Amino acid sequence: DAGITQSPRHKVTETGTPVTLRCHQTENHRYMYWYRQDPGHGLRLIHYSYGVKDTDKGEVSDGYSVSRSKTEDFLLTLESATSSQTSVYFCAISPQDLPTDTQYFGPGTRLTVL
Amino acid sequence: KQEVTQIPAALSVPEGENLVLNCSFTDSAIYNLQWFRQDPGKGLTSLLLIQSSQREQTSGRLNASLDKSSGRSTLYIAASQPGDSATYLCAVKETSGSRLTFGEGTQLTVNP
Repeated sequence: DAGITQSPRHKVTETGTPVTLRCHQTENHRYMYWYRQDPGHGLRLIHYSYGVKDTDKGEVSDGYSVSRSKTEDFLLTLESATSSQTSVYFCAISPQDLPTDTQYFGPGTRLTVL
Repeated sequence: KQEVTQIPAALSVPEGENLVLNCSFTDSAIYNLQWFRQDPGKGLTSLLLIQSSQREQTSGRLNASLDKSSGRSTLYIAASQPGDSATYLCAVKETSGSRLTFGEGTQLTVNP
């Protein structure tokens, strides 16, 4: 298994509170991604990073911000959580962005916003 | 906008049967197509990656094909086993960026 951990694994929070999810990798891969998985929508890309301090938006970035100050860590922040952000969040990593590169996924974080 | 569709949404088969899962996509400008497996409560595991210039890839009892011009891929599982029970997702990587676009998956149950 690729060395990817996500923390916390489960979180329940209230509407309007800030939440930060952490993804940590031990593979020294350049690319890191945050996805959310929802019934009826599948997995959708929120943000991704192609290096330290280099990030870009994905398909569903509104309400989310990210930071990457070290190669191994990629943080996803919900500044003010809403019930529509209740979801399962997956982090993924990839060596580069080549056509031959797959993405390796973490175990996920289940977030419930009440 | 790329759209990926997987049919059927769910499939239940007896052990030992050969089966085919289908994936279709709307924009043929792709770098690759990937098949993933997801077990309940777990992350995704990459099964096969087919580059846009390739027609198929094989790994053990799994064979994936790609017809880019028609926007279709199939995942063939030979001699299915109960341990194959999981959700199978296909995803395409577009040439226009780093994004993977996923289908919603086919939930497979293999009955002993």
